[in-house]
Amino acid sequence: DIQMTQSPSSLSASVGDRVTIACRASQGITNHLAWYQQKPGNVPQLLIYAATTLQSGVPSRFSGSGSGTDFTLTISSLQPEDVATYYCHNYYSAPYTFGQGTKLEIK
Amino acid sequence: EVQLVESGGDLVQPGGSLRLSCAASGFTFSSFTMKWVRQAPGKGLEWVSFISSSGGTVYYADSVKGRFTISRDSAKNSLYLQMNSLRAEDTAVYYCARDRAWFSSGNYYYFMDVWGKGTTVTVSS
Repeated sequence: DIQMTQSPSSLSASVGDRVTIACRASQGITNHLAWYQQKPGNVPQLLIYAATTLQSGVPSRFSGSGSGTDFTLTISSLQPEDVATYYCHNYYSAPYTFGQGTKLEIK
Repeated sequence: EVQLVESGGDLVQPGGSLRLSCAASGFTFSSFTMKWVRQAPGKGLEWVSFISSSGGTVYYADSVKGRFTISRDSAKNSLYLQMNSLRAEDTAVYYCARDRAWFSSGNYYYFMDVWGKGTTVTVSS
């Protein structure tokens, strides 16, 4: 099974900061990596798929990069509404594993 | 509007059974693969099961293999998850999700683009 490891597990940053969340796959998944945002009490929402493609309607301050085993989600200028837990997700092969999540808070 | 509505969650005793349903609307259900994902209280997301558009291919997480069965009824635009031999660790919110197909290097890959609001399963005596 492919293990997905995110870092950090939690993060506190100020409004306007550039924020980066890392995700590492235990084996290569080419670019079959999605990022989901789950705001408190809400359903997960798709942010990015194919490692770098922004889902329609997602603000352009979100971006994704990486391929193979190492991936990154970047928020270029943190906004208060970005408070959420972020998950990376392998859809390369079953079992379709998630990272453990990164909880993002405003400092 | 694309919509997924789960139902069937309940309080059940360990060893019991439950059948979850997911009603789909706003898209051609028979053309899409589907998944179930769960989230235990205060925990992260865990993929549970996948079913192809025809229903002919299914996958399960090791944690539920042999106990859970995914199925679909395109005539009713519905997805199901039959859960048997339930354990306390199956307590979670269960989400159904629609997949979007992505063709790459000669293969299709499927990522979840629409999620339902979830239904809560509690396994406790």
